[in-house]
Amino acid sequence: AQSVTQLGSHVSVSEGALVLLRCNYSSSVPPYLFWYVQYPNQGLQLLLKYTSAATLVKGINGFEAEFKKSETSFHLTKPSAHMSDAAEYFCAAFTGGGNKLTFGTGTQLKVEL
Amino acid sequence: NAGVMQNPRHLVRRRGQEARLRCSPMKGHSHVYWYRQLPEEGLKFMVYLQKENIIDESGMPKERFSAEFPKEGPSILRIQQVVRGDSAAYFCASSPDRLPDGYTFGSGTRLTVV
Repeated sequence: AQSVTQLGSHVSVSEGALVLLRCNYSSSVPPYLFWYVQYPNQGLQLLLKYTSAATLVKGINGFEAEFKKSETSFHLTKPSAHMSDAAEYFCAAFTGGGNKLTFGTGTQLKVEL
Repeated sequence: NAGVMQNPRHLVRRRGQEARLRCSPMKGHSHVYWYRQLPEEGLKFMVYLQKENIIDESGMPKERFSAEFPKEGPSILRIQQVVRGDSAAYFCASSPDRLPDGYTFGSGTRLTVV
């Protein structure tokens, strides 16, 4: 069975600083991997996805993530945080043999002036 | 093209009542998924349906919970005899096929049991 682990339930950065949100997956087969963002009282919006093409994936709002098979990781980064990035971020994985997207527990990103 | 529509946005029920949550998928999407979000727990898969069929209900509690996706009309998640522990945000997603590339999430229904 696959699982997704997000290290750090809360991350705080200064505006303009690097954002790094960590995600590790556990899967016996290479998964499809996703990052979603959730703003307060809203649904989830897809940021980016990895589907076995390029290992460095660029998404919306300046975010990108790199798939590292050797580390079973798919960390999310953004070079310079903006106040509008404050939200909850979820990493998710899907393996072709399954029927569902498995989510991590989420990381709440706070951006401070 | 409207996105995934969920209603109501907020639902308050007393213990023992029934809760019905509705989800209209995006036009052209025939696959529907329900997830539950509890504080500090992320989103937990509940059920995956196609028109008139339950494909995977491995995340559904064995009692009081049921789901359907009829030939006509929205998908319904039904919770009978609600208890305080059912208080959560319930999200629906739809996709044109089984792969999650095309998942689109609704804004959720926030259920509060008092």
